[in-house]
Amino acid sequence: DVKVTQSSRYLVKRTGEKVFLECVQDMDHENMFWYRQDPGLGLRLIYFSYDVKMKEKGDIPEGYSVSREKKERFSLILESASTNQTSMYLCASNPGGTVYGYTFGSGTRLTVV
Amino acid sequence: LAKTTQPISMDSYEGQEVNITCSHNNIATNDYITWYQQFPSQGPRFIIQGYKTKVTNEVASLFIPADRKSSTLSLPRVSLSDTAVYYCLVEPDSWGKLQFGAGTQVVVTP
Repeated sequence: DVKVTQSSRYLVKRTGEKVFLECVQDMDHENMFWYRQDPGLGLRLIYFSYDVKMKEKGDIPEGYSVSREKKERFSLILESASTNQTSMYLCASNPGGTVYGYTFGSGTRLTVV
Repeated sequence: LAKTTQPISMDSYEGQEVNITCSHNNIATNDYITWYQQFPSQGPRFIIQGYKTKVTNEVASLFIPADRKSSTLSLPRVSLSDTAVYYCLVEPDSWGKLQFGAGTQVVVTP
């Protein structure tokens, strides 16, 4: 089975801190995604990447950046954490087509205080 | 991206069959229908996908009528562990962002 591993299940950070969320997949997937999930708002796409060093903005990229230096790793960076970035963050990967399905990590619940 | 409509919630008892219908009137020729399951504090999990007619796996069945404007996810003999949110997605056979709706909260009680 494909595994998507997110480095932390729970994080608590202070306002203004730079925060790194790490995601690693072990099946050589081309595409990787970062979503956030909030009650009543569902899953919203922050950024995605279709190749090493390539990235595309999703629906809500403001306040975030990403890094993909290696195929298996996709990092989400909160440049200066704010309380409205308190959320569940989900990483996903896909080998290159809808028919293969998307595999999600277990999520990182980030609280910014 | 085709928009989907599904019930907000459904209740069931253990051992019953649960059928969740999703409407997708604007589905395109190259769109596939995919269902995901999400437990609290977990990421969504792919459970089944289809293009037309019927698909069955060890978890569920997916029924798609000829016009493909709707689909029904069938969970046979549910147990308490099937309590989750179920999302219906309609996506083309290409990669890209997934459009998740609100999903259907299924609650299974003893």
